[in-house]
Amino acid sequence: EIVLTQSPGTLSLSPGERATLSCRASQSVSSSYLAWYQHKPGQAPRLLIYGASSRATGIPDRFSGSGSGTDFTLTISRLEPEDFAVYYCQQYGSSPYTFGQGTKLEIK
Amino acid sequence: EVQLVESGGGLVQPGGSLRLSCAASGFTFSYYSVNWVRQAPGKGLEWVSSISSSSSTIYYADSVKGRFTISRDNAKNSLYLQMNSLRAGDTALYYCARGDLYSPFDYWGQGTLVTVSS
Repeated sequence: EIVLTQSPGTLSLSPGERATLSCRASQSVSSSYLAWYQHKPGQAPRLLIYGASSRATGIPDRFSGSGSGTDFTLTISRLEPEDFAVYYCQQYGSSPYTFGQGTKLEIK
Repeated sequence: EVQLVESGGGLVQPGGSLRLSCAASGFTFSYYSVNWVRQAPGKGLEWVSSISSSSSTIYYADSVKGRFTISRDNAKNSLYLQMNSLRAGDTALYYCARGDLYSPFDYWGQGTLVTVSS
């Protein structure tokens, strides 16, 4: 099983600032089958990034993903008020399809 | 518009059983693998189980193996999760999501709440 470790656990920033979220895998993620999701209370999780760096349909270009192997990053270039949420990484290259424990992005 | 709508959650005693359903619409259900993912109160997302388009390939998380059974009815555009021998640790919001090996989970339902308590 691939274990994904996200850091930091909580990130406190202000609107307009840049956010950098990290996801580290316990072993190499096959062909960069790494996704990022945004999750807000009372809503369904939303796919942001797949294949480590491809934006899903309708996702603003302020969201970007990078990385390969065991180290991946989600960057939000300029935070909007609606971006404050919990973010999860997930690998879908091997079963079980594991998620990281999440990073809570909160308003400072 | 793609929609996934879960139902069947509720309060059940430890050791009891429950069957969740997920109704799909807006896409050709029989072409896609689908999954169950859960979120315990105050915790993160946990993948539970997946089933391929033809039901030929099924996976389970170790935490539910032998107790939960995933199935689907392509004629009814529906996904199911039969949950037996339920434990307090199974208390969670259960989501269905479209996705597969090598395909991200691109659509999710709103979830159905399962509470295991005496």
